[in-house]
Amino acid sequence: QQQVKQSPQSLIVQKGGISIINCAYENTAFDYFPWYQQFPGKGPALLIAIRPDVSEKKEGRFTISFNKSAKQFSLHIMDSQPGDSATYFCAASPSGTYKYIFGTGTRLKVLA
Amino acid sequence: DVKVTQSSRYLVKRTGEKVFLECVQDMDHENMFWYRQDPGLGLRLIYFSYDVKMKEKGDIPEGYSVSREKKERFSLILESASTNQTSMYLCASSLIGFNEKLFFGSGTQLSVL
Repeated sequence: QQQVKQSPQSLIVQKGGISIINCAYENTAFDYFPWYQQFPGKGPALLIAIRPDVSEKKEGRFTISFNKSAKQFSLHIMDSQPGDSATYFCAASPSGTYKYIFGTGTRLKVLA
Repeated sequence: DVKVTQSSRYLVKRTGEKVFLECVQDMDHENMFWYRQDPGLGLRLIYFSYDVKMKEKGDIPEGYSVSREKKERFSLILESASTNQTSMYLCASSLIGFNEKLFFGSGTQLSVL
């Protein structure tokens, strides 16, 4: 019940295309859902985050869509660029805790 | 610019050795975390600390211990290293409070032979 399931494991997208990464959870106590981006040789860095009281959040080319009833959330990268090539992790945090449960990661490659 | 510094980028140790991984943050953050990153498993929380000398077990604490004697420094200790502890170890820090942004170090790739 503490898991966050992430798919796909890897993704190849053409430059200018849309990259979509999906995550699903079961624990209804989760109340914060961030996405982290990790480049090779670096630690993950916060990209964008959402709370369950909104269905969508957009920051530039990055959008989180959140479906509370389905317990799913997804990251959309519009107009994907080669510089977006990285590993993306979704995460969820149970209410009232410092903990984050991370997904297994998606390795994105954007072809030039 | 905020910074979380891990003492070693690569580390090679022998089975049975006691291993210390050091992490220092310069942001005066109250919370500090140790994660382990393995392919196909994502990031898994080993231990975290919300104050000096305070610690709590994460999801996979077995075989590990931690020390936080000063606010800026959080150490991960492998009491007797084993080959299944070969992994990338990531330290992170955040402000006090829930749902705060995590700031990660660049990681230490530990190989136990």
